[in-house]
Amino acid sequence: GNSVTQMEGPVTLSEEAFLTINCTYTATGYPSLFWYVQYPGEGLQLLLKATKADDKGSNKGFEATYRKETTSFHLEKGSVQVSDSAVYFCALTRNTGGFKTIFGAGTRLFVKA
Amino acid sequence: KAGVTQTPRYLIKTRGQQVTLSCSPISGHRSVSWYQQTPGQGLQFLFEYFSETQRNKGNFPGRFSGRQFSNSRSEMNVSTLELGDSALYLCASRGLGAGGLQETQYFGPGTRLLVL
Repeated sequence: GNSVTQMEGPVTLSEEAFLTINCTYTATGYPSLFWYVQYPGEGLQLLLKATKADDKGSNKGFEATYRKETTSFHLEKGSVQVSDSAVYFCALTRNTGGFKTIFGAGTRLFVKA
Repeated sequence: KAGVTQTPRYLIKTRGQQVTLSCSPISGHRSVSWYQQTPGQGLQFLFEYFSETQRNKGNFPGRFSGRQFSNSRSEMNVSTLELGDSALYLCASRGLGAGGLQETQYFGPGTRLLVL
């Protein structure tokens, strides 16, 4: 079946540190991959996406590359800010046999000033 | 363009009651999906509606139902509430692109339901 595994949190970093949140997936076929971010008290916001192997999604300094050979979509940012503190969700979407999104468990990030 | 809106934002109910939640998608979007978010189970897919028809359904009991109106607004209903139904309920909409429905979902702020 389809599944998404994220590194467990919380992740605590100092401002300007390098961020990596690991995400691996299991899926048949060729899913699209997403990172969503959820700030306290809010819904999910799309952060970035990639729809095929070797695609790199990027937004607001965050990047992730769709690696089919390692079935991974790790999220990275070179220099985090306090305002990046949130919960990050990796997700895959399949559109065969009905549209379906599978989310990872989420990784909470705390950034200290 | 206004985003996805959900009403109410917060709701307190007691066991055995029923509840109806509402979602208005982004203007022009005809697909609405519903998700339940809990600390224990994470984000779980409930169902998706497109043009007033349910296209896909997650693994939830029949107490959870939904519908979509001709203006694409959607409602979700939970009957005979249980304590375990306490959750954040999120809806998301999708629009049409050149190749059909786009994969990117746009989420609303959610309705936080507390069952006492």
